[in-house]
Amino acid sequence: DVKVTQSSRYLVKRTGEKVFLECVQDMDHENMFWYRQDPGLGLRLIYFSYDVKMKEKGDIPEGYSVSREKKERFSLILESASTNQTSMYLCASELAGQGAGYTFGSGTRLTVV
Amino acid sequence: AQRVTQPEKLLSVFKGAPVELKCNYSYSGSPELFWYVQYSRQRLQLLLRHISRESIKGFTADLNKGETSFHLKKPFAQEEDSAMYYCALTGSARQLTFGSGTQLTVLP
Repeated sequence: DVKVTQSSRYLVKRTGEKVFLECVQDMDHENMFWYRQDPGLGLRLIYFSYDVKMKEKGDIPEGYSVSREKKERFSLILESASTNQTSMYLCASELAGQGAGYTFGSGTRLTVV
Repeated sequence: AQRVTQPEKLLSVFKGAPVELKCNYSYSGSPELFWYVQYSRQRLQLLLRHISRESIKGFTADLNKGETSFHLKKPFAQEEDSAMYYCALTGSARQLTFGSGTQLTVLP
């Protein structure tokens, strides 16, 4: 069973702080994704990656960056956290070319105060 | 551009009643459509995908290209079906585009 692990379940950060959200998957999946989940808006794609050191912008990349130095790890970085980045962040992974759907992590609830 | 619309934010039905969660999409090519479900305090998980033409937990969904719809149906709702449901689409790119979700409540 694929496991996608997000390092923190809850985080509280101050405005202006640099924030790192970590995601690790253990099934050698090529594709990894970061979404934010907000009530009434559903899931919106922030960034994704199809390979190590590769990254692509999603629909709402502003204020975020990512890092994929190893295949199993995909990090989301908030360069200078703002209150409008308070949200639930979901990481997902997928085996390339299989069309099998995503496997999601349990999410990180980030509050920026 | 690809887009998924779920017109109902909230849907309540009584146990044993039929349920239909609506999903409409816009995409110029041939999409792949999915339904994901999130039960309370659990992670988001795949429920079904149209290419499999499967029935999971009594749910089915048929892709109607003429109406660009992929509605999720179950003939007899159960209380354990209460959850948030998301319709999602992939096009030529692999990343999923999600709808805004429908919170289903099955009343006893």
